[in-house]
Amino acid sequence: DTAVSQTPKYLVTQMGNDKSIKCEQNLGHDTMYWYKQDSKKFLKIMFSYNNKELIINETVPNRFSPKSPDKAHLNLHINSLELGDSAVYFCASSQAGASLGHFGAGTRLSVL
Amino acid sequence: QQQVKQSPQSLIVQKGGISIINCAYENTAFDYFPWYQQFPGKGPALLIAIRPDVSEKKEGRFTISFNKSAKQFSLHIMDSQPGDSATYFCAASVAGNQFYFGTGTSLTVIP
Repeated sequence: DTAVSQTPKYLVTQMGNDKSIKCEQNLGHDTMYWYKQDSKKFLKIMFSYNNKELIINETVPNRFSPKSPDKAHLNLHINSLELGDSAVYFCASSQAGASLGHFGAGTRLSVL
Repeated sequence: QQQVKQSPQSLIVQKGGISIINCAYENTAFDYFPWYQQFPGKGPALLIAIRPDVSEKKEGRFTISFNKSAKQFSLHIMDSQPGDSATYFCAASVAGNQFYFGTGTSLTVIP
């Protein structure tokens, strides 16, 4: 039973489109994150939510909008996709104050 | 600004050898230092972690050495195996609230 699951695994789309990535965790954690991993494998935090409230927004363009309907879900919606958005996006979860131990398998986004 | 600096970028080690990856930080508020292992097509997986009140932590073949005064910490993989070939990331956080990652080290263990 997957602890942190993301869908879709691959996403290929045209510039200017709007797309969403979904994330769910079944660990009962209260904090969820979105990370972006670029082509050089650099991992950068984008957002962090604790109990459905945004607590970190790391200078991410406002074309990116996270949505947390409940503490088990953190979805990422991206408007007006650009070539530079191509990356692997990872969802992760943890209990606040504990180790960041659980990442999803990633969503590889390719913007053409 | 890179909060955690990691080196080397890539590392090739013979089977049975010792792999050493180094990280350095500036923010003295960091109080938790985990290491992650990432295989191609997978998400990072927590490998081992240390807090600054301890100078060394060992789990199996993996050891973290921590030098608080130098603001450096390193991962040692003893008896490296081909199955250890992966990308390794160090990270640092304050009270487990936000995790900053190093730039990653691609390890290749040659049989």
